[in-house]
Amino acid sequence: AQSVTQLDSQVPVFEEAPVELRCNYSSSVSVYLFWYVQYPNQGLQLLLKYLSGSTLVKGINGFEAEFNKSQTSFHLRKPSVHISDTAEYFCVIRGTDKLIFGTGTRLQVFP
Amino acid sequence: ETGVTQSPTHLIKTRGQQVTLRCSSQSGHNTVSWYQQALGQGPQFIFQYYREEENGRGNFPPRFSGLQFPNYSSELNVNALELDDSALYLCASRLGTGQANYGYTFGSGTRLTVV
Repeated sequence: AQSVTQLDSQVPVFEEAPVELRCNYSSSVSVYLFWYVQYPNQGLQLLLKYLSGSTLVKGINGFEAEFNKSQTSFHLRKPSVHISDTAEYFCVIRGTDKLIFGTGTRLQVFP
Repeated sequence: ETGVTQSPTHLIKTRGQQVTLRCSSQSGHNTVSWYQQALGQGPQFIFQYYREEENGRGNFPPRFSGLQFPNYSSELNVNALELDDSALYLCASRLGTGQANYGYTFGSGTRLTVV
């Protein structure tokens, strides 16, 4: 069985500060991992994905994530956040013909 | 690319009623999935259709059913609505099935409220 665990339900941070949203995964097969963002009252937008190759993955809006097989982690980072980054972030693992979502991390950026 | 569009955006139904939600997939995408996102939760997989046949289902009862049409549109039907069915319903489409690595494109969802 595959699963993802998002370790923080909420992360408050001041504007221009760095941020890390933590995600651990469990899988017995090849791993495909994603981070999606959901802005208030909107659908889901793909931030970045890890399929294979380089363990450092760069996405949109200045976000990046590092796949760590030994620690079974896929943490999302941004060196300097903006007010507009306030949203819900989901770590996702690709199961057989479906996506398995974590419970989400609410990133709140304060001025 | 036309994206994924869902209708209606909001809907209020009474317990026991039936509802149909609609999705127009991104052009060329022959696989569509539906997800239920309860308030404060991550989306949960309901089912998937590939070339008009259901080929995957999550832990949802049979009163959740679907259809996919040749023009890439699809429907989610829910019978005998319960209060717990209140949620955001998301449609996602992609090209291919199985272990293909193609990305999913999500619609903005339909917010269903059951009273």
